[in-house]
Amino acid sequence: GDSVTQMEGPVTLSEEAFLTINCTYTATGYPSLFWYVQYPGEGLQLLLKATKADDKGSNKGFEATYRKETTSFHLEKGSVQVSDSAVYFCALSDLTGGGNKLTFGTGTQLKVEL
Amino acid sequence: KAGVTQTPRYLIKTRGQQVTLSCSPISGHRSVSWYQQTPGQGLQFLFEYFSETQRNKGNFPGRFSGRQFSNSRSEMNVSTLELGDSALYLCASKVTGTNEKLFFGSGTQLSVL
Repeated sequence: GDSVTQMEGPVTLSEEAFLTINCTYTATGYPSLFWYVQYPGEGLQLLLKATKADDKGSNKGFEATYRKETTSFHLEKGSVQVSDSAVYFCALSDLTGGGNKLTFGTGTQLKVEL
Repeated sequence: KAGVTQTPRYLIKTRGQQVTLSCSPISGHRSVSWYQQTPGQGLQFLFEYFSETQRNKGNFPGRFSGRQFSNSRSEMNVSTLELGDSALYLCASKVTGTNEKLFFGSGTQLSVL
């Protein structure tokens, strides 16, 4: 079945450091790929998405490129802020059965310090 | 526009009891999905409802069930609770169709003692 593997956390960075969170996937067909973010005590929010190979999703300084050849969708940000501290989830969308089921990675906690 | 509303926010139950969680989607959204989030298993898909019909189901035992009403509000029920059912249960809604943005509620934190 479909699966998503992302790097384990926590990842601790200083403010203005460069961020990379690795994500690879296994899927049949051509899934859409997503990054969701979860702030403490809240539900998940969509951060960015890409629907086909070589697409780049971007939002709030974060970006990720859909790489079909390496089955990857790594999240990057050039300069992180303390307010980026959260848990980040990589996910893919399975359209089996006419519905829309998301398969998530285990999440990577990011801590940004001053 | 109000977001996805889940009630209650916290629940404490004992083993063997049953529980019902409620989710009100964003106005106009007709699809509602449920996910279970635990530290060990992460986020796992429970089921999706669209126009009162279950469209997709995850790999959970029959103790987990759900339904959707004509106003798109959804409930999920867990019977004969087990300790392992302790989790954050998240509801998400979207307008309809595929690959569209999912909007998540803040979840119901269920603790089974």
